[in-house]
Amino acid sequence: SYVLTQPPSVSMAPGKTARITCGGNILGSKSVHWYQQKPGQAPVVVIDYDSDRPSGIPERFSGSKSGNTATLTISRVEAGDEADYYCQVWDSSSDHHVFGGGTKLTVL
Amino acid sequence: QVQLVQSGAEVKKPGASVKVSCKASGYMFISYYMHWVRQAPGQGLEWMGIINPSGGSTTYAQKFQGRVTMTRDTSTSTVYMELSSLRSEDTAVYFCARGTLVPSMEGSFDSWGQGTLVTVSS
Repeated sequence: SYVLTQPPSVSMAPGKTARITCGGNILGSKSVHWYQQKPGQAPVVVIDYDSDRPSGIPERFSGSKSGNTATLTISRVEAGDEADYYCQVWDSSSDHHVFGGGTKLTVL
Repeated sequence: QVQLVQSGAEVKKPGASVKVSCKASGYMFISYYMHWVRQAPGQGLEWMGIINPSGGSTTYAQKFQGRVTMTRDTSTSTVYMELSSLRSEDTAVYFCARGTLVPSMEGSFDSWGQGTLVTVSS
C-alpha cells in the first residue's frame, strides 16, 4: 500500500519559517493536500492541490512540490500555528486515499 | 454553509457493532463523495473508506474490508458507517469528511464532521 512519510516533529521560534515535508513514491504525479489539526478539533485543509490556499487560510501558508517530496511552508510562525499537520493524497492504483503519519509543529 | 453533524459518543463491548451517522446540509448531498476517517487516541488520521451518495457505491481501505459498511439515505442527506466485530484497538474518534465533486477523486476533504468517539471496552 502507498506510504507517505512525514517527520514526527518540527520546532520553530515565532516569526521564523517552518517547513514540513511529505515524501512518497512518484509523489510528483499526485495532488498533495495538507491539513492542520489542533487538539480536540477536526482537521482543516490549509493547502490543496499541492499549492492552492483555500479561502480563509492566511497567506503565510504555502505549499510546493519537487520530485517525490512535498513541502508545507509556514512563514512568520505564530503561537496559534502550533498543531499537527498531515499530508494526504489519492492513490489511483489502489483507489485509496492515504494520510501521512503527521507532524507536530511546536512553536518555541 | 456546508455542515456535517455526527451522532453522539458510543461505548461498546468487544465483538459488538457500532453505527455512526453523519447528516449533511448546505450543499447538494448526492454531488459530493463522503469519506470516513478515524483517529485513535494520540495517533494520526486513518482513512477508512468512501461512499458515493448518488449511487451508494463504496470503496473500503483494505484494513477494514469485511468489517465496515458505509451506506447513505438520500431522503435525509445522511451517511452511515457501521463497524463490526469491534476490538479495543477500534477505540477512536470517527470523522466523516466531504470529498470532491463526483466523479473526481483527487481533491481534498474540505468539510469535516465534529467527530464521534467510539470506546470499545469490556
